[in-house]
Amino acid sequence: AQSVTQLDSQVPVFEEAPVELRCNYSSSVSVYLFWYVQYPNQGLQLLLKYLSGSTLVKGINGFEAEFNKSQTSFHLRKPSVHISDTAEYFCAVSDNDMRFGAGTRLTVKP
Amino acid sequence: EAGVAQSPRYKIIEKRQSVAFWCNPISGHATLYWYQQILGQGPKLLIQFQNNGVVDDSQLPKDRFSAERLKGVDSTLKIQPAKLEDSAVYLCASSLTSGKETQYFGPGTRLLVL
Repeated sequence: AQSVTQLDSQVPVFEEAPVELRCNYSSSVSVYLFWYVQYPNQGLQLLLKYLSGSTLVKGINGFEAEFNKSQTSFHLRKPSVHISDTAEYFCAVSDNDMRFGAGTRLTVKP
Repeated sequence: EAGVAQSPRYKIIEKRQSVAFWCNPISGHATLYWYQQILGQGPKLLIQFQNNGVVDDSQLPKDRFSAERLKGVDSTLKIQPAKLEDSAVYLCASSLTSGKETQYFGPGTRLLVL
């Protein structure tokens, strides 16, 4: 069965700084990889997903992620964060059912 | 298009009481999911429906939780009797099919069991 590990539970950064949220997965089969964002008191919203093809995936709000099969990683990056990016970020892996990581709380400070 | 609808948004009950949550997925989405999200954790899949059939309910505590999707559209999730550890946000999501399809989430129902 697949599983997801998000290595950082909290990431504080200053506005306009770059950020990387780390995600590693384990699976015995080919999988699809996702990043979702959850704003306070809201449901999850898809940021981006990797299905196949180019290992660099671009998503909404200026986020991107890179699939690295040899390191079984799918880290999320943004070159310059805004206050409005403060939220909980979840990495997920799916073959037929979705498994989520525990989440990383990104806090952007002025 | 309308998103995934859930009700109620909030519910407070005492332990051993029963509670039900309702979900209306995006029109045309064959797959419907119920997740439990405990504070500080990622969502955990409880049950997955494909149309009105159950695909995966391996993590559903079947002694107290039940779910149905009788006509392949709306779904209800019930807890009877509730325990303190059931306090969580219950998220409903839907997708066109499963696997690589994007899941669209509703706002969730926040349950507090006292």
